[in-house]
Formats: sequence, C-alpha cells, structure tokens
Amino acid sequence: GQQVMQIPQYQHVQEGEDFTTYCNSSTTLSNIQWYKQRPGGHPVFLIQLVKSGEVKKQKRLTFQFGEAKKNSSLHITATQTTDVGTYFCGSTDAGGTSYGKLTFGQGTILTVHP
Amino acid sequence: DAGVTQSPTHLIKTRGQQVTLRCSPKSGHDTVSWYQQALGQGPQFIFQYYEEEERQRGNFPDRFSGHQFPNYSSELNVNALLLGDSALYLCASSWGYEQFFGPGTRLTVL
Repeated sequence: GQQVMQIPQYQHVQEGEDFTTYCNSSTTLSNIQWYKQRPGGHPVFLIQLVKSGEVKKQKRLTFQFGEAKKNSSLHITATQTTDVGTYFCGSTDAGGTSYGKLTFGQGTILTVHP
Repeated sequence: DAGVTQSPTHLIKTRGQQVTLRCSPKSGHDTVSWYQQALGQGPQFIFQYYEEEERQRGNFPDRFSGHQFPNYSSELNVNALLLGDSALYLCASSWGYEQFFGPGTRLTVL
C-alpha cells in the first residue's frame, strides 16, 4: 500500500515566523489531504488537492501538490499561537472519492512561541 | 447539526477483555471509518463501513471487528485486548472526500 512520509517531525517557531511541512511518497498519489489536530483534539480536515502542480490558499495557509504527484507541502505565513497543533498529510487510494483507505503521514508538531 | 459523536470518552480495560466503542456519524453521512491513533503517531486506518458492509480494511488482526447499523451508526469491537491496543480510537464519517472526525475514545489497557 501507499506510504507517505512527513518532515519535519517537530518545528518550533517564534510567532510571526513562517512554517512549512513536507509530505513525500515513493509512489504517485491520487490525491493529498491535509488535517490539523490541536493538542488533545481530533483531526480536522483542511483541504484536498488532486491535480498535478495544484496550489490552493486559505488565508495564511498555502498548499501545494507536486508536479509528479509524489509530494506536497503546507506553508503557513506569519504563524500565530492559534496555529499550534499537529499537521497531518494523508492520501486515499480511490481517486479522492468517499471510499478508500486514508493513509496518514506521521505528522509535524508545530509549537509557536509568543 | 451535531457532528460525529463517539462513546464512551474514556475506557479502562484489562488484558484479555473485550471492548465495544460506538460512533454516530454526522447527519447525512453514510460512510464510517475507524482509526487507531497511538500517542505521537498519525491515525492508522482500521476499516470502513458503507451500507452496513465492511468496504475496506487496514492491517489489523481479526480481533478488530465492526458493524454498521441501518441508521449508519457504527460499532468497533476489539477482543482479547493487548497492552498495545491502548490508543485513541477515532471514528470518521464522510459523504464526499472530506472526513469528519469525532472526538475519539481513549482506551487504556492495563
């Protein structure tokens, strides 16, 4: 089955600094999804990318899907303390439809110092 | 509109016991997936139910079984509990590609 590797495992930033987490796969992915999990909480869906080279923005968050559909990144501009949490990438094996096993990366734990 | 709900919130069991966890999906969602999240790890897919049938299964032993009811709610059963089964068990419901996770059940096996 497909596997996604995520780096870095941890990232500590000062408030206002930028943050980027990367997701990599050895195989071509049908899609990439990003989730955020606050400390003590549950994963919350952020976005799905399906097209090669796709870039989507949500306010300070920018998501990219690589041209080869083997990697993705999440970039946060000017972090805030509310950005604290673990960011997971994941991918389904059924073309992004409702069915399909969602395989998660290990996550990047983001700490923001005020 | 209530989101995904799970019960119980916390559970303590001993090795060898059996446990049943419950999940009610978000209104309008017909698909329920279960995940196991060990401390410091990403969620691991256990299985997915659709139309009361197990549609896909991850790499979990047969000790893990489930059920989906006609109202789309679901149960996860784990038999012969091991210490390594201690984790946060997450239920996620979906209709499209977006999965909505419940708050989880924290299972501790002693």
